[in-house]
Amino acid sequence: GENVEQHPSTLSVQEGDSAVIKCTYSDSASNYFPWYKQELGKRPQLIIDIRSNVGEKKDQRIAVTLNKTAKHFSLHITETQPEDSAVYFCAVTGTASKLTFGTGTRLQVTL
Amino acid sequence: GAVVSQHPSWVICKSGTSVKIECRSLDFQATTMFWYRQFPKQSLMLMATSNEGSKATYEQGVEKDKFLINHASLTLSTLTVTSAHPEDSSFYICSARDLWTANTGELFFGEGSRLTVL
Repeated sequence: GENVEQHPSTLSVQEGDSAVIKCTYSDSASNYFPWYKQELGKRPQLIIDIRSNVGEKKDQRIAVTLNKTAKHFSLHITETQPEDSAVYFCAVTGTASKLTFGTGTRLQVTL
Repeated sequence: GAVVSQHPSWVICKSGTSVKIECRSLDFQATTMFWYRQFPKQSLMLMATSNEGSKATYEQGVEKDKFLINHASLTLSTLTVTSAHPEDSSFYICSARDLWTANTGELFFGEGSRLTVL
């Protein structure tokens, strides 16, 4: 099955700095790559997604880049704010149409 | 937007009893629903894929006789944890794929159900 690796597991940045989280996947036929933000005890919240026919997508302070050849994609958050503190998960939909999650990154934005 | 409602949001039960969790798509039809389990400080792990009108497909290592899944209609799937034990205590989250936007890949998640087995 699909194998999704995510790094780093924890990330601490100062308010206003940028944060980058990276994921790699194994199934070259994967075609959908969402990123989720999860606060403690709550459901995952979709923050941005990208499909295999696009290399980059941006939504205000959040951007995602995809390198299909290398099978990796990254989440970029600029001008971080304390409310960005949460756990972030990448995910991949592969040939079986199942969504497989990465291991998660705990982001802490400090003042 | 598409809304998925999950109930109950939390439940405490005694060891050996069964617990049913419901997942409903409120404003769309979902031919496929997915059930995930999340232990503290861990990722979401897919347990099974539920298809309307057919048997669920379970992931490797998930006991189908312990985690009974029923998807009787296009808007309702249920997960029953049978003979629950403390190690089944976890956060269970359902998700659904909209029949009409299935090709986009996007999933809509329920609020999750926190199960504590004493």
